[in-house]
Amino acid sequence: DAGVIQSPRHEVTEMGQEVTLRCKPISGHDYLFWYRQTMMRGLELLIYFNNNVPIDDSGMPEDRFSAKMPNASFSTLKIQPSEPRDSAVYFCASSHQETQYFGPGTRLLVL
Amino acid sequence: GEDVEQSLFLSVREGDSSVINCTYTDSSSTYLYWYKQEPGAGLQLLTYIFSNMDMKQDQRLTVLLNKKDKHLSLRIADTQTGDSAIYFCAERRSGYSTLTFGKGTMLLVSP
Repeated sequence: DAGVIQSPRHEVTEMGQEVTLRCKPISGHDYLFWYRQTMMRGLELLIYFNNNVPIDDSGMPEDRFSAKMPNASFSTLKIQPSEPRDSAVYFCASSHQETQYFGPGTRLLVL
Repeated sequence: GEDVEQSLFLSVREGDSSVINCTYTDSSSTYLYWYKQEPGAGLQLLTYIFSNMDMKQDQRLTVLLNKKDKHLSLRIADTQTGDSAIYFCAERRSGYSTLTFGKGTMLLVSP
């Protein structure tokens, strides 16, 4: 298995632009998680899905952030409009039962 | 306070053993995990232990769990320079699908 796949790996954009991050979970995994990692806050859980349904989005910082999972093999995290304080590494992870596996992350820089 | 606590930094010499410690507060935790993050990469699941176990060994890695003190440790035998990374401890609480992560311990291995 290729593991969790994320794209793009790096994204540089200007403040106010829309940013879309993509994730393909491991086949057969029924949970998908979006995290954000910064030096200041460490690793934060933003939202997670079970069988494509959002279960808890309490970690989503603002209405500018939205996430979707239209099918079992694809999820997006969208930021509109983006702000410099959104600069971070965004990780997608998937799990089945007790083990959770992370993707390589998308490094986002908002200028 | 933090749910999962780790020391921030550990420095060892190549060939020595490393011990990274973690404390957690929720006695209902069912699984405890160790992840490794190398620079610019995602979190790699190293090993995990079920709460009814005291110890788990996997090649150079030994996990010890003291449920009474809510203390988890990761011992790396014969530490190599390639082991230099940030190590995250995480707990999964009973009835939850999410993990609670510590802030990570940076391990620096010098030749």
